[in-house]
Amino acid sequence: QSVLTQPPSVSAAPGQKVTISCSGSSSNIGNNYVSWYQQLPRTAPKLLIYDNNKRPSGIPDRFSGSQSGTSATLGITGLQTGDEADYYCGTWDSSLSARVFGGGTKVTVL
Amino acid sequence: EVRLVESGGALVQPGGSLRLSCAASGFTFSSYHMNWVRRAPGKGLEWVSFVDTSSTTIYYADSVKGRFTISRDNAKNSLYLQMNSLRDEDTAVYYCARRDDFDIWGQGTLVTISS
Repeated sequence: QSVLTQPPSVSAAPGQKVTISCSGSSSNIGNNYVSWYQQLPRTAPKLLIYDNNKRPSGIPDRFSGSQSGTSATLGITGLQTGDEADYYCGTWDSSLSARVFGGGTKVTVL
Repeated sequence: EVRLVESGGALVQPGGSLRLSCAASGFTFSSYHMNWVRRAPGKGLEWVSFVDTSSTTIYYADSVKGRFTISRDNAKNSLYLQMNSLRDEDTAVYYCARRDDFDIWGQGTLVTISS
């Protein structure tokens, strides 16, 4: 059971938009920055979003992040087949003194 | 080029030990906090351990506390994970990752615990 809750899967047609939710509590998302990671099949994870809504260099603006209260959201617009991957939210949990991840969301492009 | 390269993964029997290494290049290793993260087969990402730049502050996930030890050698640009009393559930690909938000990841090294 993950500390952060994500939907197991989301899907949409090419070109459409998907959003992935990440729900936590005041000890994690409510008081710490959220990051989002993409893990393509058979590759290492990659940082997509940090500090709730910032994109590292090289990450297209099709990917966006937001945070409100104890929840965060990753948005992907203009969905492409190459976006099929597992996506994870992560943050620090001040009560646990531990970094925590969501259970992961599999994005399928129909 | 900023790079992290893990090594040391192997097939080990339950109860055994293993030491993973992570070689850093392309950046000032001593200026960055470092982490180990793992992904077990069929499961999601799990943070394992954190060490700050000077090894003063160290954290572990409850699942490995008392069995794993993280360390670093800034002179050698290297991060380590000593894993003892290994269990079946420690089977995973282990990644080293830079910074509090894991901005750079290595390619991973596979640890298999099986008799």
